Amino acid sequence: EVQLLESGGGLVQPGGSLRLSCAASGLTFNNYAMGWVRQAPGRGLEWVSTICGSGADTFYADSVRGRFTISRDNSKSTLYLQLTSLRAEDTAIFYCVRAQSHCGSRSRQFDYWGQGTLVTVSS
Amino acid sequence: ATQMTQSPSSLSASVGDRVTITCRASQGIRNDLGWYQQKPGKAPKLLIFVASSLQAGVPSRFSGSGSGTDFTLTISSLQPEDFATYYCLQDYDSWTFGQGTKVEIK
Repeated sequence: EVQLLESGGGLVQPGGSLRLSCAASGLTFNNYAMGWVRQAPGRGLEWVSTICGSGADTFYADSVRGRFTISRDNSKSTLYLQLTSLRAEDTAIFYCVRAQSHCGSRSRQFDYWGQGTLVTVSS
Repeated sequence: ATQMTQSPSSLSASVGDRVTITCRASQGIRNDLGWYQQKPGKAPKLLIFVASSLQAGVPSRFSGSGSGTDFTLTISSLQPEDFATYYCLQDYDSWTFGQGTKVEIK
């Protein structure tokens, strides 16, 4: 069974940094694109970033490009998201997600989700 | 970036009703669209991909249709466990979610 377990969330001051991790199990990790989706309190879903299986290609939402960096360690089956220059509006639950296949596949919807980790940006 | 406009933002319905939710893309996205269900305090769940394919384990009362810019999620006979918020997601041009539709009990 595929499991995605996020960690690293917490309270951080505006302008601060944080690194989120997502440990994956039950899958051949490098065969899948992986990503992050966030949800601010009481709000809708927002796609944040996706990384292809090899790690060579990355994609970002305009709202986080230049501030967040996605990466992966396929030897550890772990996905990361480095958050810098954090703002109050970044406060959200961050979900780790698995795409249905690799980046070049016909469908790249997110078929597995973690339980989420809460990031709170506040002074 | 492709924008997704989802409607309605909320609706009230009764058990047994037929429910339809729509998403419109700002440009043609072929059929690169999925639908998700989210219940309070839970992670979203994929229901439909490539606009009309049912994800494994999803009840057949859920169906999707559309291509290009206009897409529809239909629940043929609403069940008590279907009261939730639904989102569309395009994966043609990066990824973009619709704003969500909350389905409430009438």
